[in-house]
Amino acid sequence: EIVMTQSPGTLSVSPGERATLSCRASQSISSKLDWYQQKPGQAPRLLIYGASTRATGIPGRFSGSGSGTEFTLTISSLQSEDFAVYYCQQYDNWPWTFGQGTKVEIK
Amino acid sequence: EVQLVQSGAEVKKPGESLKISCKASGYIFTNSWIAWVRQMPGKGLEWMGIIYPDDSDTRYSPSFQGQVTISADKSINTAYLQWSTLKASDTAIYYCAKWSAAYSSGWYSYFLDVWGKGTTVTVSS
Repeated sequence: EIVMTQSPGTLSVSPGERATLSCRASQSISSKLDWYQQKPGQAPRLLIYGASTRATGIPGRFSGSGSGTEFTLTISSLQSEDFAVYYCQQYDNWPWTFGQGTKVEIK
Repeated sequence: EVQLVQSGAEVKKPGESLKISCKASGYIFTNSWIAWVRQMPGKGLEWMGIIYPDDSDTRYSPSFQGQVTISADKSINTAYLQWSTLKASDTAIYYCAKWSAAYSSGWYSYFLDVWGKGTTVTVSS
């Protein structure tokens, strides 16, 4: 099973600042990686698929990059609605697996 | 509008059985896989398994194989997750989600693009 490791566990950022979240796979997964956002009491929402393609309706301040084992989600200028937990997920090798999540909180 | 509507919250005792549902609308149910994802209290997301409603081809994550049963009834556009013997450790929110594909630059990408609101299952004596 591929283990996905996200860092940091918690990221404290001020509104308007840039946030950089990392996700590492235990083996190469090419670009078969998605990012999801989850707010308290809500279902997750798809942000990025295929490592770098924004899902429909996702603002341009969200961007994804990386391939192989190292991936990054960048939020260029944090808005109040972006404070949430973010998960990466691989679909290269069954079972698909999520990272443990990064919580982005207000500094 | 594509929607997945999940059944309501359940409170059960250890040893009881349970079947929760996920009703799809707004798209061709038999054309997309449906996934089940668990979220234990205060914890992250876990893939449980996935089913293709057209032929009921089902895959389970090893952690959940033998612990749950995933099924679908394509005549009523509904997927199910069931337990025969619940344990306290099954207490969680269970989400269904549509597993979709997009083709670009010569390959397919896959993702969970539509989620149900989740079904909270509480197992307590």
